[in-house]
Amino acid sequence: DSGVTQTPKHLITATGQRVTLRCSPRSGDLSVYWYQQSLDQGLQFLIQYYNGEERAKGNILERFSAQQFPDLHSELNLSSLELGDSALYFCASSERLAGVGTDTQYFGPGTRLTVL
Amino acid sequence: AQSVTQPDIHITVSEGASLELRCNYSYGATPYLFWYVQSPGQGLQLLLKYFSGDTLVQGIKGFEAEFKRSQSSFNLRKPSVHWSDAAEYFCAVGVYSGGGADGLTFGKGTHLIIQP
Repeated sequence: DSGVTQTPKHLITATGQRVTLRCSPRSGDLSVYWYQQSLDQGLQFLIQYYNGEERAKGNILERFSAQQFPDLHSELNLSSLELGDSALYFCASSERLAGVGTDTQYFGPGTRLTVL
Repeated sequence: AQSVTQPDIHITVSEGASLELRCNYSYGATPYLFWYVQSPGQGLQLLLKYFSGDTLVQGIKGFEAEFKRSQSSFNLRKPSVHWSDAAEYFCAVGVYSGGGADGLTFGKGTHLIIQP
């Protein structure tokens, strides 16, 4: 158990809909990362937040957005869903200690999204 | 931009035999390297990491990896595999800026099959 929690575990929805995935980081971790794992694209970094602020963007679609709240939990919002958005979505967290290059990311169990 | 190549999509090894999973990276500076394992239906578990120092790093479950700068490689090894090692293995490279980690870049993964 990494200490990172994600809800829900599974989500089934229809095309055109909007969903929200939730992540709670490990206690004390300030940084949250979102990743998408699909059969054709593999594991891809989407976006990172640090202490409530967006820190870095990867291959995130404009239909997707995220935020990190004052209690440090994060939500990933996926809208206008398409069949191709079906994937496993992982959240990871790290301490992100300034000046220390030993920042390890710990992954949650993931949310499996199925778009029908 | 950084990239990671795992040349072997599938590897089959007999139980008790030794294992080596290959990983090559491309990055302009000193990379931060990781190996993660994903069991079916599970999240990603960190096996080991390399940040600096000794190029041979030890991880959990009896795994080790060696960083070879001249070959841009970070191969994962285990002297004797167990049936429970059957899983998907991912090599990843991390980039650090502003004192902390940005999103990881993952390889496509190597699927390890253990023969009895």
